[in-house]
Amino acid sequence: DAGVIQSPRHEVTEMGQEVTLRCKPISGHNSLFWYRQTMMRGLELLIYFNNNVPIDDSGMPEDRFSAKMPNASFSTLKIQPSEPRDSAVYFCASTWGVGTEAFFGQGTRLTVV
Amino acid sequence: QKEVEQNSGPLSVPEGAIASLNCTYSDRGSQSFFWYRQYSGKSPELIMFIYSNGDKEDGRFTAQLNKASQYVSLLIRDSQPSDSATYLCAPCSNDYKLSFGAGTTVTVRA
Repeated sequence: DAGVIQSPRHEVTEMGQEVTLRCKPISGHNSLFWYRQTMMRGLELLIYFNNNVPIDDSGMPEDRFSAKMPNASFSTLKIQPSEPRDSAVYFCASTWGVGTEAFFGQGTRLTVV
Repeated sequence: QKEVEQNSGPLSVPEGAIASLNCTYSDRGSQSFFWYRQYSGKSPELIMFIYSNGDKEDGRFTAQLNKASQYVSLLIRDSQPSDSATYLCAPCSNDYKLSFGAGTTVTVRA
């Protein structure tokens, strides 16, 4: 398996634009997590899914952020409109069950100018 | 109160010494605990997990868990320069929630 795949690896966009980050979890995994990492706030859990259903989105900072998981092999995190303070590395991770190892994608480095 | 708190760093240790990392968590429903290592510019990777109270050893790493005190720690023995990284504590609750601490950055001096 290729592991968790995220795209794009780098994204530079202008303030106010819509940004969509994509994630393909490891085949057979049933939980998917979206995190945001900054120097100031560390690795923050934004939202997580189990069997494609959002379980907890309390970490989503604002209504500008939304996430979907239409099937077991794909998830998106959308920011609309984007702001400079959204600049961070966004990680997606997946696991196959409760209390099992989370495998991380390589992350998407987002810069909003 | 943060869900997961780790001792503030950076932690600098000489090569061959023991590095001690601490973590406390607020969710008493947490049942499994993970330590991840993250090199600069890379993704976190798992180095240890522990489910039961007590100690668990894996090579130069030892994890310790005390659920009553809501405390988990990681010891790195015979520290090597390659251990220089940020170490992240991550408790997992029964509802699948995997939260991370802010991390402790360890620097091993040659």
